[in-house]
Amino acid sequence: KAGVTQTPRYLIKTRGQQVTLSCSPISGHRSVSWYQQTPGQGLQFLFEYFSETQRNKGNFPGRFSGRQFSNSRSEMNVSTLELGDSALYLCASSHPGQGYEQFFGPGTRLTVL
Amino acid sequence: SQQGEEDPQALSIQEGENATMNCSYKTSINNLQWYRQNSGRGLVHLILIRSNEREKHSGRLRVTLDTSKKSSSLLITASRAADTASYFCATDGATSGTYKYIFGTGTRLKVLA
Repeated sequence: KAGVTQTPRYLIKTRGQQVTLSCSPISGHRSVSWYQQTPGQGLQFLFEYFSETQRNKGNFPGRFSGRQFSNSRSEMNVSTLELGDSALYLCASSHPGQGYEQFFGPGTRLTVL
Repeated sequence: SQQGEEDPQALSIQEGENATMNCSYKTSINNLQWYRQNSGRGLVHLILIRSNEREKHSGRLRVTLDTSKKSSSLLITASRAADTASYFCATDGATSGTYKYIFGTGTRLKVLA
């Protein structure tokens, strides 16, 4: 099985712009979670989608949003980018969602200038 | 605040030695997982231990869980240079309907050849 893929791998944006990141889960996985990783805050949970529904959300402002399509692919959008949004954004998929291992993609490194 | 806190933050050992890292968490959990991350890449799942288990083995890895102390430890035996990475524990909330994992701050392990 192919692993979790994330596109793009690297992205440079300027403050105020918006960005969309994409994640394709492992075939058959219906749960997709997103995490933000920064040196200062570590790995922080953004949100989790299952069957096109957001099941849980972390403590991030409304500028961070996501969605999941019927084929389980997921997108994450950040609007009005701030310098502090520079981070590695990781996507993870799992089969039913809870109590099972998550398979992570390589991440998208976002730099906001 | 983060659910998990790893200890130590950094660890440097010689190849062949054992490495032990600890994780403490704050609330009740259903399960705890350990992940490895190589140099800013995606995370790789190592092992999952459920709240009703006390010890689990996988190859050179041994994980223990003490729910009364809300702590877990990961032991890597006979370490190799390839084990150099950051190690994270992740816990899920035991609250019904919670489908998110909270990651600890990580332990940076360096294995010297």
